[in-house]
Amino acid sequence: QQQVKQSPQSLIVQKGGISIINCAYENTAFDYFPWYQQFPGKGPALLIAIRPDVSEKKEGRFTISFNKSAKQFSLHIMDSQPGDSATYFCAALDMDTGRRALTFGSGTRLQVQP
Amino acid sequence: AAGVIQSPRHLIKEKRETATLKCYPIPRHDTVYWYQQGPGQDPQFLISFYEKMQSDKGSIPDRFSAQQFSDYHSELNMSSLELGDSALYFCASSLLRPYEQYFGPGTRLTVT
Repeated sequence: QQQVKQSPQSLIVQKGGISIINCAYENTAFDYFPWYQQFPGKGPALLIAIRPDVSEKKEGRFTISFNKSAKQFSLHIMDSQPGDSATYFCAALDMDTGRRALTFGSGTRLQVQP
Repeated sequence: AAGVIQSPRHLIKEKRETATLKCYPIPRHDTVYWYQQGPGQDPQFLISFYEKMQSDKGSIPDRFSAQQFSDYHSELNMSSLELGDSALYFCASSLLRPYEQYFGPGTRLTVT
């Protein structure tokens, strides 16, 4: 059972458009939500992360929106560029238990067309 | 900035052989994690170490073991390799606080 559900599985966006990837979680104890970007054959790279005490966090063209009551969070990529074409993973972690293992979503393959 | 270093980057082994993967965390990071990523799948947590002690265990087969040494580097030892062990193996490191985990480039293990 996937504890963090991610959608869509794949996404095609035109250059300059907005890419939106959604994640939902069940475990209300999760309190740290990072997003990772992964290029083929490379390690996941931390993009941006959010804690539940804020509803939105923006870093450059990347924005996380967080809805605690709905147990959902999403990544928005503004002005999407061909170089953004990669697989994106959302993840979650419960910091209070002391566990540091990230639980990942299933990933979204983003393709930005020029 | 220094990143997580993993070696080797590629490894080809035959069934029933053993393999050792090495990870050198970012300097001053006190926690190391190992993840396994199959083709087209998300990374799955295997095991982690904090200050050289095992801190958490995930879906790591009994055939695998790991340890963290006094210089904080970690090794993942894999024995009796099976075809299904073919995957990318990532090491990540972090400070206990804050929680950001930084991943290495991975070791691609192919078992034939």
